[in-house]
Amino acid sequence: GAGVSQSPSNKVTEKGKDVELRCDPISGHTALYWYRQRLGQGLEFLIYFQGNSAPDKSGLPSDRFSAERTGESVSTLTIQRTQQEDSAVYLCASSFLTVYNEQFFGPGTRLTVL
Amino acid sequence: GQQVMQIPQYQHVQEGEDFTTYCNSSTTLSNIQWYKQRPGGHPVFLIQLVKSGEVKKQKRLTFQFGEAKKNSSLHITATQTTDVGTYFCYNDMRFGAGTRLTVKP
Repeated sequence: GAGVSQSPSNKVTEKGKDVELRCDPISGHTALYWYRQRLGQGLEFLIYFQGNSAPDKSGLPSDRFSAERTGESVSTLTIQRTQQEDSAVYLCASSFLTVYNEQFFGPGTRLTVL
Repeated sequence: GQQVMQIPQYQHVQEGEDFTTYCNSSTTLSNIQWYKQRPGGHPVFLIQLVKSGEVKKQKRLTFQFGEAKKNSSLHITATQTTDVGTYFCYNDMRFGAGTRLTVKP
């Protein structure tokens, strides 16, 4: 595809349920990032992938959050036992090769936990 | 990565006035990037600065990287309503808190 895509665009779930958010980066981009943005707030770093490995997962807020990447392409962010404070827009970005290159962002997934 | 500090948090200007946002770090930065996020949108890359004392211009936008590579600024001359949004600086996987710019016509 021409850009980074994310699905679903919106997700409403009940407290305690698990959710999976998907990111398709730009083809050929080896670096992939997940961020969380609460309403009216800044971008909170969650995790960074280089290829299929995650050299920096320091931003994951708790062990309820996990992410994986396969085939140096698609990435999935999983939130288990969702809580209301997990409500936010989850943004995925990708860049060519290194963290020093321009990041291209997807449109985000808006997660609402009731 | 260590987060860069960004100020101000908000800036409201009259159309035609200038606007500046600043990012500061306690450590030397290898580079700094600037992004703009329109209301309801996602961040879009504006520019990257790498060299000490570097100045780059994009039309009405001027970006500077300090001599010590510990600070950076984005200056907009004669703001327009299309400049509305939040401007973020970025380094090493950490974004600044952002400066939200609103412009009164």
